[in-house]
Amino acid sequence: ETGVTQSPTHLIKTRGQQVTLRCSSQSGHNTVSWYQQALGQGPQFIFQYYREEENGRGNFPPRFSGLQFPNYSSELNVNALELDDSALYLCASSPHSENYGYTFGSGTRLTVV
Amino acid sequence: AQTVTQSQPEMSVQEAETVTLSCTYDTSENNYYLFWYKQPPSRQMILVIRQEAYKQQNATENRFSVNFQKAAKSFSLKISDSQLGDTAMYFCAFIDTSGTYKYIFGTGTRLKVLA
Repeated sequence: ETGVTQSPTHLIKTRGQQVTLRCSSQSGHNTVSWYQQALGQGPQFIFQYYREEENGRGNFPPRFSGLQFPNYSSELNVNALELDDSALYLCASSPHSENYGYTFGSGTRLTVV
Repeated sequence: AQTVTQSQPEMSVQEAETVTLSCTYDTSENNYYLFWYKQPPSRQMILVIRQEAYKQQNATENRFSVNFQKAAKSFSLKISDSQLGDTAMYFCAFIDTSGTYKYIFGTGTRLKVLA
């Protein structure tokens, strides 16, 4: 059974640019969530997808958007990057209606300069 | 608003000793789950232990156990026989079952196990 894989592991972008982060869910998991973890902080919920539909969103502006594909893999897109977007971005997947023990990936470290 | 508070930014413990990490939370919900996650330098969040709010019995996983006090909204983690591999950030997290199943995380406790 494969776990959750994220790519790339590290990324450096310039302020104003756009970025796409990718996540492959664990086999059999149809729910995926994205979290932003700033340095020294706990992860903050960005949004969740279930069967290709957004199923909830945290307090993030519209320039944070996502997609989930039929194979349940997912993308996080961030437009007009700002310096404060520098963070670790974590993807987590779960079978729907499981008892909420999500499996996390190792994250993508995004640095905006 | 639901919140999770971890009041110990850093802790250390000698190898083979026992350490307790504290966590309090606030919610008006009655049905929810509580978790402790470990985040080593590899960055991956690893589930340590899970507690269902409707269960009075404290969860236990090998060397890890919790003290769940629902009325006090307290959820502490006890690590027995601490090992060097336990060195990591530990996050307390809450998830309710009434809507989007999103985690609310605390700010974490950095635990260092000393040889």
